[in-house]
Amino acid sequence: AQTVTQSQPEMSVQEAETVTLSCTYDTSESDYYLFWYKQPPSRQMILVIRQEAYKQQNATENRFSVNFQKAAKSFSLKISDSQLGDAAMYFCASGGSNYKLTFGKGTLLTVNP
Amino acid sequence: NAGVTQTPKFRVLKTGQSMTLLCAQDMNHEYMYWYRQDPGMGLRLIHYSVGEGTTAKGEVPDGYNVSRLKKQNFLLGLESAAPSQTSVYFCASRTLMNTEAFFGQGTRLTVV
Repeated sequence: AQTVTQSQPEMSVQEAETVTLSCTYDTSESDYYLFWYKQPPSRQMILVIRQEAYKQQNATENRFSVNFQKAAKSFSLKISDSQLGDAAMYFCASGGSNYKLTFGKGTLLTVNP
Repeated sequence: NAGVTQTPKFRVLKTGQSMTLLCAQDMNHEYMYWYRQDPGMGLRLIHYSVGEGTTAKGEVPDGYNVSRLKKQNFLLGLESAAPSQTSVYFCASRTLMNTEAFFGQGTRLTVV
């Protein structure tokens, strides 16, 4: 079984500053993938970043990067130079060979001007 | 491309009524999913399908049924709606386990 835990229900950051959202997961699979999704008020689910578990290098997409600690089963998301448009609910997710895609409960990010 | 389309976008049901939510994807994806999203609970998997004609239970399958008669469509049925099924429902699809899931725009269902 897969579980995903996001321990921060809410976070806030000042515009232009950096914020890190935490995620831990548990899985019995050796081959799995991790994702961060963003859900703005429009309700649309948008992929932010993806990490293959077999890769040691942390994934990066522009201002978004992850800190993947496989042994600790940790997968945090760092947002640099935060912008007002980054305000949203962020979900961490895990997927493996059992085809399921399991989500955490989400972290609501507020960006203050 | 339309991507993943959910029908309807909003619905109000009375307790005991039945309804079917339709999810259609035009990306030839193998895997399809139904989730419900409730405040503070994140997205919880109801049912999923790994191919045409196959379905499986997720975390919260009780009170729901699904069918995948055609590869592009995944239907979610509520046979006898209950207020506890008031939620936002999302359909998603993806092609392989290492790829991102594409989501529909969600269906807000209220059961009174």
